[in-house]
Amino acid sequence: NAGVTQTPKFRILKIGQSMTLQCAQDMNHNYMYWYRQDPGMGLKLIYYSVGAGITDKGEVPNGYNVSRSTTEDFPLRLELAAPSQTSVYFCASSQQLGETQYFGPGTRLLVL
Amino acid sequence: AQSVTQLDSHVSVSEGTPVLLRCNYSSSYSPSLFWYVQHPNKGLQLLLKYTSAATLVKGINGFEAEFKKSETSFHLTKPSAHMSDAAEYFCVVSASNTDKLIFGTGTRLQVFP
Repeated sequence: NAGVTQTPKFRILKIGQSMTLQCAQDMNHNYMYWYRQDPGMGLKLIYYSVGAGITDKGEVPNGYNVSRSTTEDFPLRLELAAPSQTSVYFCASSQQLGETQYFGPGTRLLVL
Repeated sequence: AQSVTQLDSHVSVSEGTPVLLRCNYSSSYSPSLFWYVQHPNKGLQLLLKYTSAATLVKGINGFEAEFKKSETSFHLTKPSAHMSDAAEYFCVVSASNTDKLIFGTGTRLQVFP
Protein backbone atom coordinates (compact mmCIF):
# COMPACT_ATOMS: atom_id res chain seq x y z
CA ASN A 1 0.00 0.00 0.00
CA ALA A 2 1.92 3.04 -1.29
CA GLY A 3 -0.68 5.67 -0.30
CA VAL A 4 -0.33 8.82 -2.41
CA THR A 5 2.57 9.01 -4.85
CA GLN A 6 3.79 12.00 -6.85
CA THR A 7 6.23 12.39 -9.72
CA PRO A 8 8.57 14.05 -10.37
CA LYS A 9 10.15 15.06 -7.06
CA PHE A 10 11.82 18.13 -8.55
CA ARG A 11 11.68 19.95 -11.86
CA ILE A 12 13.09 23.11 -13.40
CA LEU A 13 11.03 24.70 -16.16
CA LYS A 14 11.68 27.63 -18.45
CA ILE A 15 9.05 30.34 -18.74
CA GLY A 16 6.39 29.29 -21.24
CA GLN A 17 7.09 25.57 -21.06
CA SER A 18 4.40 23.10 -20.09
CA MET A 19 4.45 20.04 -17.88
CA THR A 20 2.23 17.58 -16.07
CA LEU A 21 2.60 16.72 -12.41
CA GLN A 22 1.50 13.18 -11.76
CA CYS A 23 -0.43 11.97 -8.73
CA ALA A 24 -1.78 8.52 -7.92
CA GLN A 25 -3.44 6.94 -4.89
CA ASP A 26 -4.16 3.31 -4.10
CA MET A 27 -6.65 3.79 -1.26
CA ASN A 28 -9.75 3.90 -3.49
CA HIS A 29 -10.53 7.42 -2.33
CA ASN A 30 -13.09 9.37 -4.32
CA TYR A 31 -11.73 12.78 -3.34
CA MET A 32 -8.41 14.08 -4.58
CA TYR A 33 -6.78 17.50 -4.28
CA TRP A 34 -3.93 19.62 -5.55
CA TYR A 35 -2.36 22.23 -3.30
CA ARG A 36 0.53 24.60 -3.69
CA GLN A 37 2.66 25.63 -0.75
CA ASP A 38 4.52 28.93 -0.81
CA PRO A 39 6.80 29.98 2.07
CA GLY A 40 4.82 31.42 4.98
CA MET A 41 1.52 31.01 3.14
CA GLY A 42 0.30 27.60 4.20
CA LEU A 43 -1.42 25.43 1.61
CA LYS A 44 -3.67 26.85 -1.08
CA LEU A 45 -6.14 24.59 -2.89
CA ILE A 46 -5.71 24.65 -6.68
CA TYR A 47 -8.24 22.06 -7.87
CA TYR A 48 -10.06 19.13 -6.41
CA SER A 49 -12.06 16.17 -7.66
CA VAL A 50 -14.98 14.32 -6.11
CA GLY A 51 -14.68 11.32 -8.40
CA ALA A 52 -13.68 10.16 -11.85
CA GLY A 53 -14.80 12.70 -14.45
CA ILE A 54 -15.66 15.42 -11.89
CA THR A 55 -13.34 18.30 -11.03
CA ASP A 56 -13.79 21.73 -9.51
CA LYS A 57 -11.74 24.86 -8.92
CA GLY A 58 -10.18 25.67 -5.61
CA GLU A 59 -8.81 28.94 -4.33
CA VAL A 60 -5.99 29.47 -6.89
CA PRO A 61 -6.84 27.65 -10.17
CA ASN A 62 -5.50 30.17 -12.71
CA GLY A 63 -2.72 28.78 -14.86
CA TYR A 64 -3.53 25.14 -14.11
CA ASN A 65 -5.73 22.40 -15.52
CA VAL A 66 -6.70 18.99 -14.20
CA SER A 67 -8.42 15.84 -15.36
CA ARG A 68 -9.66 12.75 -13.57
CA SER A 69 -10.20 9.82 -15.91
CA THR A 70 -9.75 7.16 -13.22
CA THR A 71 -10.26 6.95 -9.45
CA GLU A 72 -6.52 6.44 -8.93
CA ASP A 73 -4.97 9.26 -10.96
CA PHE A 74 -5.28 13.04 -10.78
CA PRO A 75 -2.68 14.83 -12.94
CA LEU A 76 -2.10 18.59 -12.77
CA ARG A 77 -1.17 20.39 -15.97
CA LEU A 78 0.73 23.66 -16.30
CA GLU A 79 0.32 24.96 -19.85
CA LEU A 80 2.48 28.10 -19.89
CA ALA A 81 4.80 28.10 -16.92
CA ALA A 82 5.37 31.44 -15.17
CA PRO A 83 7.79 32.39 -12.36
CA SER A 84 4.77 32.87 -10.07
CA GLN A 85 4.19 29.11 -10.30
CA THR A 86 7.47 28.36 -8.55
CA SER A 87 6.25 26.44 -5.53
CA VAL A 88 5.95 23.06 -3.87
CA TYR A 89 2.94 21.11 -5.08
CA PHE A 90 1.16 18.54 -2.95
CA CYS A 91 -1.44 16.02 -3.98
CA ALA A 92 -3.80 14.55 -1.40
CA SER A 93 -6.77 12.21 -1.19
CA SER A 94 -9.58 11.50 1.26
CA GLN A 95 -12.72 9.44 1.78
CA GLN A 96 -14.92 12.49 2.29
CA LEU A 97 -14.47 16.17 1.49
CA GLY A 98 -13.96 17.31 5.09
CA GLU A 99 -12.23 14.23 6.40
CA THR A 100 -8.59 13.35 6.98
CA GLN A 101 -6.48 13.93 3.89
CA TYR A 102 -3.49 11.79 3.00
CA PHE A 103 -0.65 13.64 1.32
CA GLY A 104 1.98 12.73 -1.21
CA PRO A 105 5.64 13.71 -0.73
CA GLY A 106 5.37 16.77 -2.96
CA THR A 107 6.86 18.09 -6.20
CA ARG A 108 9.23 21.04 -6.02
CA LEU A 109 8.90 23.19 -9.16
CA LEU A 110 11.21 26.02 -10.15
CA VAL A 111 10.26 28.24 -13.10
CA LEU A 112 13.08 30.37 -14.48
CA ALA B 1 -17.14 31.00 6.29
CA GLN B 2 -14.44 29.03 8.01
CA SER B 3 -11.00 30.37 8.85
CA VAL B 4 -8.09 29.42 11.05
CA THR B 5 -5.38 31.57 12.62
CA GLN B 6 -2.11 30.23 13.93
CA LEU B 7 -0.95 32.81 16.40
CA ASP B 8 2.79 32.14 16.17
CA SER B 9 4.80 31.72 12.99
CA HIS B 10 7.82 30.44 14.94
CA VAL B 11 8.16 28.74 18.33
CA SER B 12 11.49 27.77 19.89
CA VAL B 13 11.83 25.45 22.88
CA SER B 14 14.57 23.50 24.60
CA GLU B 15 14.52 19.73 24.48
CA GLY B 16 12.55 18.35 27.43
CA THR B 17 10.43 21.48 27.92
CA PRO B 18 6.71 21.79 27.11
CA VAL B 19 5.42 22.72 23.67
CA LEU B 20 2.42 24.99 23.03
CA LEU B 21 1.32 25.82 19.48
CA ARG B 22 -1.70 28.11 19.37
CA CYS B 23 -4.63 27.96 16.96
CA ASN B 24 -7.90 29.91 16.85
CA TYR B 25 -10.67 29.07 14.43
CA SER B 26 -13.81 30.62 13.06
CA SER B 27 -16.68 28.47 11.88
CA SER B 28 -20.41 28.86 11.51
CA TYR B 29 -20.98 25.20 12.33
CA SER B 30 -19.57 22.62 14.70
CA PRO B 31 -16.24 22.20 13.00
CA SER B 32 -13.85 19.36 12.48
CA LEU B 33 -10.34 20.41 13.50
CA PHE B 34 -7.02 18.85 12.62
CA TRP B 35 -3.34 19.28 13.33
CA TYR B 36 -0.90 18.17 10.63
CA VAL B 37 2.90 18.02 10.87
CA GLN B 38 5.36 18.50 8.03
CA HIS B 39 8.97 17.49 8.49
CA PRO B 40 11.55 19.12 6.19
CA ASN B 41 11.12 18.16 2.54
CA LYS B 42 8.26 15.79 3.39
CA GLY B 43 4.52 15.71 2.86
CA LEU B 44 1.99 16.47 5.58
CA GLN B 45 1.08 13.84 8.15
CA LEU B 46 -1.99 13.83 10.40
CA LEU B 47 -1.15 14.36 14.10
CA LEU B 48 -4.66 14.37 15.50
CA LYS B 49 -8.28 15.18 14.72
CA TYR B 50 -11.29 16.53 16.62
CA THR B 51 -14.81 15.66 15.43
CA SER B 52 -17.15 16.57 18.33
CA ALA B 53 -16.46 13.57 20.53
CA ALA B 54 -14.06 14.15 23.47
CA THR B 55 -12.79 17.72 23.69
CA LEU B 56 -9.28 16.54 24.61
CA VAL B 57 -7.79 14.73 21.65
CA LYS B 58 -4.67 12.60 21.84
CA GLY B 59 -2.50 12.21 18.79
CA ILE B 60 0.68 10.54 17.73
CA ASN B 61 4.12 11.14 19.27
CA GLY B 62 2.71 12.38 22.60
CA PHE B 63 0.87 15.41 21.20
CA GLU B 64 -2.60 16.39 22.29
CA ALA B 65 -5.01 19.24 21.65
CA GLU B 66 -8.00 20.61 23.51
CA PHE B 67 -11.10 21.94 21.76
CA LYS B 68 -12.45 25.00 23.62
CA LYS B 69 -15.63 26.24 22.01
CA SER B 70 -15.96 29.28 24.30
CA GLU B 71 -12.49 30.45 23.24
CA THR B 72 -12.72 29.12 19.64
CA SER B 73 -9.31 27.59 20.19
CA PHE B 74 -7.62 24.27 19.42
CA HIS B 75 -4.11 24.59 20.84
CA LEU B 76 -1.57 21.80 20.38
CA THR B 77 0.56 20.73 23.34
CA LYS B 78 3.22 18.24 24.30
CA PRO B 79 4.66 17.88 27.82
CA SER B 80 8.26 17.35 26.77
CA ALA B 81 9.78 18.31 23.42
CA HIS B 82 12.09 15.99 21.54
CA MET B 83 14.59 16.97 18.87
CA SER B 84 12.58 14.97 16.34
CA ASP B 85 9.57 17.28 16.94
CA ALA B 86 11.27 20.06 14.98
CA ALA B 87 8.93 20.61 12.02
CA GLU B 88 6.17 22.80 10.60
CA TYR B 89 2.74 22.36 12.17
CA PHE B 90 -0.55 23.24 10.49
CA CYS B 91 -3.90 23.79 12.14
CA VAL B 92 -6.79 22.93 9.81
CA VAL B 93 -10.56 23.47 10.01
CA SER B 94 -13.51 22.02 8.14
CA ALA B 95 -17.13 23.04 8.65
CA SER B 96 -18.32 19.49 8.09
CA ASN B 97 -17.42 16.34 6.23
CA THR B 98 -19.00 17.88 3.16
CA ASP B 99 -16.76 20.94 3.21
CA LYS B 100 -13.18 21.52 2.15
CA LEU B 101 -10.30 21.82 4.59
CA ILE B 102 -8.93 25.29 5.34
CA PHE B 103 -5.24 25.38 6.34
CA GLY B 104 -3.54 27.81 8.67
CA THR B 105 -0.28 29.44 7.64
CA GLY B 106 1.78 27.12 9.83
CA THR B 107 4.00 27.33 12.92
CA ARG B 108 7.63 26.34 12.65
CA LEU B 109 8.79 24.57 15.81
CA GLN B 110 12.50 24.64 16.62
CA VAL B 111 13.88 22.41 19.37
CA PHE B 112 17.27 23.24 20.87
CA PRO B 113 19.43 20.71 22.73
